[in-house]
Amino acid sequence: QVTLKESGPVLVEPTETLTLTCTVSGVSLTYARMGVSWIRQPPGKALEWVAHIFSNDEESYSPSLKNRLTISKDTSKSQVVLTMTNMDPADTGTYYCAQIDDTSGWSEVWFDPWGQGTLVTVSS
Amino acid sequence: SYELTQPPSVSVSPGQTAKITCSGDALPKQYGYWYQQKPGQAPVLVIYKDSERPSGIPERFSGSSSGTTVTLTISGVQAEDEADYYCQSVDSSGPYVLFGGGTKLTVL
Repeated sequence: QVTLKESGPVLVEPTETLTLTCTVSGVSLTYARMGVSWIRQPPGKALEWVAHIFSNDEESYSPSLKNRLTISKDTSKSQVVLTMTNMDPADTGTYYCAQIDDTSGWSEVWFDPWGQGTLVTVSS
Repeated sequence: SYELTQPPSVSVSPGQTAKITCSGDALPKQYGYWYQQKPGQAPVLVIYKDSERPSGIPERFSGSSSGTTVTLTISGVQAEDEADYYCQSVDSSGPYVLFGGGTKLTVL
């Protein structure tokens, strides 16, 4: 059974850089079909896709956030790391990581399972 | 760029059928997916590739696709189905992932 767990700071000041870690259990990140995505949700609002990294290390980013994001993975630690620069109060929300089965690449992309999420507040 | 449009809310009585739609120009080219999110919880996949149901999801959940619209149908709605539902697809022009704005299902 695959499980994912997010970790990172609860509070970040404006203009700082956020670093979030997704730790994956139950499957190796070297597994050919294992991709990981980040999705966020401002309080009371809709889900918003942020970024993902496929099993072949291909990276993809939300067009609206692309200039601020970097996604990477450390297979030895079974972790996927997301960094977001120049944080703003509008970035406040719950950040989820989720598994992608990327066998079919972009033609079939869905998220299952999801981590429990981590709430990040941007405030001075 | 494309968008996915959902009704903000749908209300239904227990035992009735709820239909939640999701419309967007990306949908004829890409599959639609549906997630259920209850308060304080992470989303859960309930339908993938328009109409496939993951293991463990009750049979009352079904999906369909026609043109620019995908539909989530919940037959015999139960009180436990009250939740927010999000559709998701892919914008092939990016490519990148799209989410709908979410629909709050209220069981009266």
